[in-house]
Amino acid sequence: AQSVSQHNHHVILSEAASLELGCNYSYGGTVNLFWYVQYPGQHLQLLLKYFSGDPLVKGIKGFEAEFIKSKFSFNLRKPSVQWSDTAEYFCAVNLYGGATNKLIFGTGTLLAVQP
Amino acid sequence: DTGVSQDPRHKITKRGQNVTFRCDPISEHNRLYWYRQTLGQGPEFLTYFQNEAQLEKSRLLSDRFSAERPKGSFSTLEIQRTEQGDSAMYLCASSQKLAGYQETQYFGPGTRLLVL
Repeated sequence: AQSVSQHNHHVILSEAASLELGCNYSYGGTVNLFWYVQYPGQHLQLLLKYFSGDPLVKGIKGFEAEFIKSKFSFNLRKPSVQWSDTAEYFCAVNLYGGATNKLIFGTGTLLAVQP
Repeated sequence: DTGVSQDPRHKITKRGQNVTFRCDPISEHNRLYWYRQTLGQGPEFLTYFQNEAQLEKSRLLSDRFSAERPKGSFSTLEIQRTEQGDSAMYLCASSQKLAGYQETQYFGPGTRLLVL
């Protein structure tokens, strides 16, 4: 069955530190990949997405993610975090062209950035 | 584009009562999804519609759950005879099915259900 793993459940960083959140999925076929973010008190928002093409995708607020097909990974990065990046981050995948279009989410990573 | 809206935002009910949630998708989005999220977990798929047709239901969706999307616009999710285990955040998302498979789902604020 398709699944998504986010290895870091809680991450605490100081402002200006670099961020990398891991995401691995289990599916041998082609996938669409997403990172969503949920700021405190707000709803899930799309951070970035990968469908095809350049495996390095850029999203909002200086975030980027790299799709490495051989490693089944889609890690999220940001060179320098800000206090306002404090949020919960979810990786999600769905099958490319599959019968179902549902998103499979990881369990999320709670990021706390200390000023 | 006013975004996905959900109503109510919060619902407290007693065990055994029925509850109904509403979702209004982004206008002209032809696909609508329901997910459930519990504490410490990512959202889990419940069901989805393309226009008014319900095309898939998760096994998480017991017989007490029913969803509709009349006329392919807003959707309702009803839970009958609620149980304490139904306490969760219920999320709605919508998307526009275009040619190909590049589809992005946009989420609403959710309805937080507490069953006492």
